[in-house]
Amino acid sequence: AQRVTQPEKLLSVFKGAPVELKCNYSYSGSPELFWYVQYSRQRLQLLLRHISRESIKGFTADLNKGETSFHLKKPFAQEEDSAMYYCALYGHGSGNTGKLIFGQGTTLQVKP
Amino acid sequence: EPEVTQTPSHQVTQMGQEVILRCVPISNHLYFYWYRQILGQKVEFLVSFYNNEISEKSEIFDDQFSVERPDGSNFTLKIRSTKLEDSAMYFCASSGLSGRRYNEQFFGPGTRLTVL
Repeated sequence: AQRVTQPEKLLSVFKGAPVELKCNYSYSGSPELFWYVQYSRQRLQLLLRHISRESIKGFTADLNKGETSFHLKKPFAQEEDSAMYYCALYGHGSGNTGKLIFGQGTTLQVKP
Repeated sequence: EPEVTQTPSHQVTQMGQEVILRCVPISNHLYFYWYRQILGQKVEFLVSFYNNEISEKSEIFDDQFSVERPDGSNFTLKIRSTKLEDSAMYFCASSGLSGRRYNEQFFGPGTRLTVL
């Protein structure tokens, strides 16, 4: 089965604290994973993708195939990081059309 | 920067009525998607569309649903006879020139559908 699990609905931290948003996946084959973010009253937007190995807004995510995880991390949270974060997996389909399978989402709340 | 747009932002309808949700994807994109999110649940894939036909659809996308690209710019989702459980936020997305798996999908702001 193709599945993404984000175990925390809400993560609340103080400004300057480290953040780790957890994501686990189930997928047979080589997964391709993404983090999407949705700020208040805004649309879903791509934050980062594992294949790029990039750091966006101080966030990084490493694919760990042994643990089937793709946790999102930031060493020092900022108030403007408060948002809903979705982990997503590119799913197998009957064509190479990029169906995304999303986790439940985690609300990150950064307190001043 | 080009964006995916969706209209209306909120649609209220009576059970059994037909609704059409509209999307204008980014103009040079070739792959189009509909997702939905029932309140409190995860974003779920409904359907993907390429070259004027459905590429893939989920189990949710039954005979009550259809998609169309009527004029080369709009991309519509029709629900023929709405049910209470169709109440959700519906997101349209498009992706770029090749549809390669790691191409970014750009999402619209969503249409909130409320079925009474």
